Amino acid sequence: SYELTQPRSVSVSPGQTASITCSGDQLGNKYACWYQQKPGQSPVLVIYQDNKRPSGIPERFSGSNSGNTATLTISGTQAIDEADYYCQAWDSGTEVFGGGTRLTVL
Amino acid sequence: QVQLQQSGPGLVKPSETLSLTCSVSNYSISRGYYWGWIRQPPSKGLEWIGSISHTGTTYNNPSLKSRVTISIETSKNLFSLKLTSVTAADTAVYYCARGRGWTADDAFDFWGQGTVITVSS
Repeated sequence: SYELTQPRSVSVSPGQTASITCSGDQLGNKYACWYQQKPGQSPVLVIYQDNKRPSGIPERFSGSNSGNTATLTISGTQAIDEADYYCQAWDSGTEVFGGGTRLTVL
Repeated sequence: QVQLQQSGPGLVKPSETLSLTCSVSNYSISRGYYWGWIRQPPSKGLEWIGSISHTGTTYNNPSLKSRVTISIETSKNLFSLKLTSVTAADTAVYYCARGRGWTADDAFDFWGQGTVITVSS
């Protein structure tokens, strides 16, 4: 079965750029999307189709996808961005989620 | 703004069937899109359970496939999940969500509030 691998945790200082990766076999040939989830809340879509932002998502969130790796980039990271982030892709009739990355802003 | 409201019992006994319903507001599900179920065990990541189109085409997670039934009732503007023969491993927060595209392979853009399901006798 297809797998997506994310780092368990990423730390960033306020105002700096955070990058969260998601790796999977030939992931660049699929669409990747990203969700933000804060404790006790439902996930929120922040990036879809590799690099598109839904309405209401700040411009500091961006995405890319090439080769075997999709990347979520948060520019000018703020304390409110501290959350778990999950990547997702579709493979052979199945939605697959990455294991999630805890972003800490310190 | 599309809204998804989940309902269902929070406690299910082992070996019984888990049943959840997701009622959709501000969008007629008969118009299209895919509708999915996702779960999250305590302190763990997201797991896709399955998705259904407005015409009833379904895709299910192979690891759960034989136990999962997802159905849709366009007249009531809702879709449902049934998971049979539950065990403690099925304890999780269950979410319903809307797929943002006209095919199953797209992101989920609107989510329900989540339902905590505990499997215990």
